[in-house]
Amino acid sequence: DAKTTQPTSMDCAEGRAANLPCNHSTISGNEYVYWYRQIHSQGPQYIIHGLKNNETNEMASLIITEDRKSSTLILPHATLRDTAVYYCIVRGYGNKLVFGAGTILRVKS
Amino acid sequence: EAGVAQSPRYKIIEKRQSVAFWCNPISGHATLYWYQQILGQGPKLLIQFQNNGVVDDSQLPKDRFSAERLKGVDSTLKIQPAKLEDSAVYLCASSRIWGQDNTEAFFGQGTRLTVV
Repeated sequence: DAKTTQPTSMDCAEGRAANLPCNHSTISGNEYVYWYRQIHSQGPQYIIHGLKNNETNEMASLIITEDRKSSTLILPHATLRDTAVYYCIVRGYGNKLVFGAGTILRVKS
Repeated sequence: EAGVAQSPRYKIIEKRQSVAFWCNPISGHATLYWYQQILGQGPKLLIQFQNNGVVDDSQLPKDRFSAERLKGVDSTLKIQPAKLEDSAVYLCASSRIWGQDNTEAFFGQGTRLTVV
């Protein structure tokens, strides 16, 4: 069962930052937060993951609260191509990747 | 590097027929996953292989679904006989080694199955 809670959908203006929240209040100390996205008719694509420190890569930034009970994925300058379903996943060492329903992000011009 | 390859991309069959899907993971990836994604839902893990051994098949409907990964590389997923509710996209994914920190999974484009 998914251990995360995400809003069903969000809208974002093109060129603005998209901030996608995720609640994972039951996360354990050794569990990572992973983010994937799925563009229409494609397989999910890995974005970023983190344990407790904030992380940044070429695609996005991941901000994890100090108590680790929630996190935010930030797409700094959203484009129309970022329209997708975004999945926040809590995954322990060696455990399977369990997807929830995700957040539908619509980027609008 | 080449991605995860799946075939066919689309398949339409009648209920009670059988069907097979094929997956070729990224070279060197020890872990292979099969997911089922019903329209409007997130992917659901059916089975996970580590090399040619099964790690988790708790959500695989074993009365009609089977999967194998001979030689620890390619994998096939079979449904026999198919039901209407099996209509979904079947996704294959692979990752380097199960259990390590940096094991992001890479997904193929999936096979869209329609059972009529």
